[in-house]
Amino acid sequence: AQSVAQPEDQVNVAEGNPLTVKCTYSVSGNPYLFWYVQYPNRGLQFLLKYITGDNLVKGSYGFEAEFNKSQTSFHLKKPSALVSDSALYFCAVRDDRYDYKLSFGAGTTVTVRA
Amino acid sequence: IAGITQAPTSQILAAGRRMTLRCTQDMRHNAMYWYRQDLGLGLRLIHYSNTAGTTGKGEVPDGYSVSRANTDDFPLTLASAVPSQTSVYFCASSETAASNTGELFFGEGSRLTVL
Repeated sequence: AQSVAQPEDQVNVAEGNPLTVKCTYSVSGNPYLFWYVQYPNRGLQFLLKYITGDNLVKGSYGFEAEFNKSQTSFHLKKPSALVSDSALYFCAVRDDRYDYKLSFGAGTTVTVRA
Repeated sequence: IAGITQAPTSQILAAGRRMTLRCTQDMRHNAMYWYRQDLGLGLRLIHYSNTAGTTGKGEVPDGYSVSRANTDDFPLTLASAVPSQTSVYFCASSETAASNTGELFFGEGSRLTVL
């Protein structure tokens, strides 16, 4: 079985401050990990992924995420948040043994105040 | 602009009625998916198709059916809608399924309310 948890329903930060959105996962095999962002009334958009290799991956809009195998985590980070980063963020995981099933977390709402 | 088109954008439906949500992609992706999004539950996979002519069940398939007659189209049908099927439905695609290390591309969603 595979699952992903986003322990925070909401994250609030001031513009210019660092932003972290937490994600932990559980798989039996090796994890493929993804972050998606959803703006109001829109579909999800891909931000970044970890498949293999360097534990620190960089993605769109200045976001990055660090894969930590020992802590089974894949936290999303941005050094300096913008008001336009306010959105709903989803972490997702796929066990490399399955070819179709991507499991999503419940989502974290990020609000960046000016 | 290339991508995924879903229709309708929004629909209110009486319980017991039949409804088909349409999804078309022009990226020639092999794999397509239907998810439902519910508050606090994230996205849950309903059905998927790895390639034209094949379909499979996801996490929450009951009450839904799909078909994949060609590469581009992947309609989702509710044979007899129930209020618990009130949700936002997203169609998505990926270039392949077997080596699904690539990202999913999502449509804009179809908001369905069953009364």
